[in-house]
Amino acid sequence: KQEVTQIPAALSVPEGENLVLNCSFTDSAIYNLQWFRQDPGKGLTSLLLIQSSQREQTSGRLNASLDKSSGRSTLYIAASQPGDSATYLCAVWANNAGNMLTFGGGTRLMVKP
Amino acid sequence: NAGVTQTPKFQVLKTGQSMTLQCAQDMNHEYMSWYRQDPGMGLRLIHYSVGAGITDQGEVPNGYNVSRSTTEDFPLRLLSAAPSQTSVYFCASSYGWSKANTGELFFGEGSRLTVL
Repeated sequence: KQEVTQIPAALSVPEGENLVLNCSFTDSAIYNLQWFRQDPGKGLTSLLLIQSSQREQTSGRLNASLDKSSGRSTLYIAASQPGDSATYLCAVWANNAGNMLTFGGGTRLMVKP
Repeated sequence: NAGVTQTPKFQVLKTGQSMTLQCAQDMNHEYMSWYRQDPGMGLRLIHYSVGAGITDQGEVPNGYNVSRSTTEDFPLRLLSAAPSQTSVYFCASSYGWSKANTGELFFGEGSRLTVL
């Protein structure tokens, strides 16, 4: 069974710092990996999708990398801002999980002004 | 751009009542799914569908029914609500679901259900 872990569970940083969020998964036979953002009381917003054949994706200040062999992905946020405060989740779509995504528990990020 | 629309946003039920959570998407996505999100448990898949007329169970299907009569709609039915079904429910859709064609998953805003 695919398991997805996100460390740390919570992170507090001052504004302007560059930071890295980690996501690890147990089965490397994935189709893709997706990073989401969730604001309190809201739905999940897709940030980046990395297909299994890709190594990284970038969108603005966000960069996500994927290393299937080691079962890891990182989300890099450059020059963090208070508006980046949210919970960040990663999810993998894998062959051994049927037609469903497996989600990590999320990292709750607080960026202080 | 409507995307994935869920109704209602909030609902309070008494134990034993039934209700339907509605989900509609306007992106012509084949794959649709329902998740519940609970503190400390994360997101768990309830049911999913890979096309009209095709549905399957996820991790936590008990107490819920679904149907998919059209590509656009994927309602979730609670037949006899229980306090354990108090949760936030999310509908999500994607254009692809197979190894050859997996796509980005788009979520609705959620439906917060309380069962007394």
